[in-house]
Amino acid sequence: DTGVSQNPRHKITKRGQNVTFRCDPISEHNRLYWYRQTLGQGPEFLTYFQNEAQLEKSRLLSDRFSAERPKGSFSTLEIQRTEQGDSAMYLCASSFPFGTSGMADTQYFGPGTRLTVL
Amino acid sequence: GQQVMQIPQYQHVQEGEDFTTYCNSSTTLSNIQWYKQRPGGHPVFLIQLVKSGEVKKQKRLTFQFGEAKKNSSLHITATQTTDVGTYFCAGSTGGGNKLTFGTGTQLKVEL
Repeated sequence: DTGVSQNPRHKITKRGQNVTFRCDPISEHNRLYWYRQTLGQGPEFLTYFQNEAQLEKSRLLSDRFSAERPKGSFSTLEIQRTEQGDSAMYLCASSFPFGTSGMADTQYFGPGTRLTVL
Repeated sequence: GQQVMQIPQYQHVQEGEDFTTYCNSSTTLSNIQWYKQRPGGHPVFLIQLVKSGEVKKQKRLTFQFGEAKKNSSLHITATQTTDVGTYFCAGSTGGGNKLTFGTGTQLKVEL
C-alpha cells in the first residue's frame, strides 16, 4: 500500500538559493495539493491541481513559488531565491473526487519536506 | 479572508479524563473535516461532517457540526496515551476542496 511520498524529507539551503521538492501522490488520485506548515500552526493552503491543471493558487503565495504537475502524476514545488521566512514543513496531499454533493475530498497527506533556510 | 480558530491551544489531561476542542470559523462552511497530527508526523484524516447539527461518533471520539455551520467540536471520552497529538479542524466553502485549517489543539496525556 503506497501512500503519498515526498522527496527530499529534509533540505537545508542558504538564503538566495533555489530549491525544488517533489511529491508523488497515491496513484489513482487526480487531485494534488501543496500546503506549508510552520511550528505550532495548522497547514496553510498553497495551491491545488486537478490532473495537470493548476486550479487554485493562494493569494499569499509569492511569485518566487511555482508548482507544476506536467503529466498529471507527480508534482514539483520550486522556491526561487529562498528567504529565511520560507523555512517550514512543505506538505503534499492527494485526493480522489468524492462525488457526493456538499462533501469535500478526503485528503491524504505525505510525510512532508522540512526546509531550513540559513 | 476566512479564518478558523481553535481553543484551547494546549490541553494537558490525566489518562482517563475527557477532552474537548472547539473550532470556530469566521464564515459559514460547506463541510468540516478533522485531522490528527502525531508529534513529528503528518495530518491524518479522521472524519468529515456536512449537515447542520450533525453528530458522528468513532469509538471514544464524538464530532459535532454546529447548527449555523460555523463551528464544530471534537470530544474524546476517557483519553488514552495513544490520543496524544494535535487535532486540527479544516473547513471548506462553496463546495470546493480548498481546506482552511484551524490553529490546532495540542493534547498531552499523562499517566
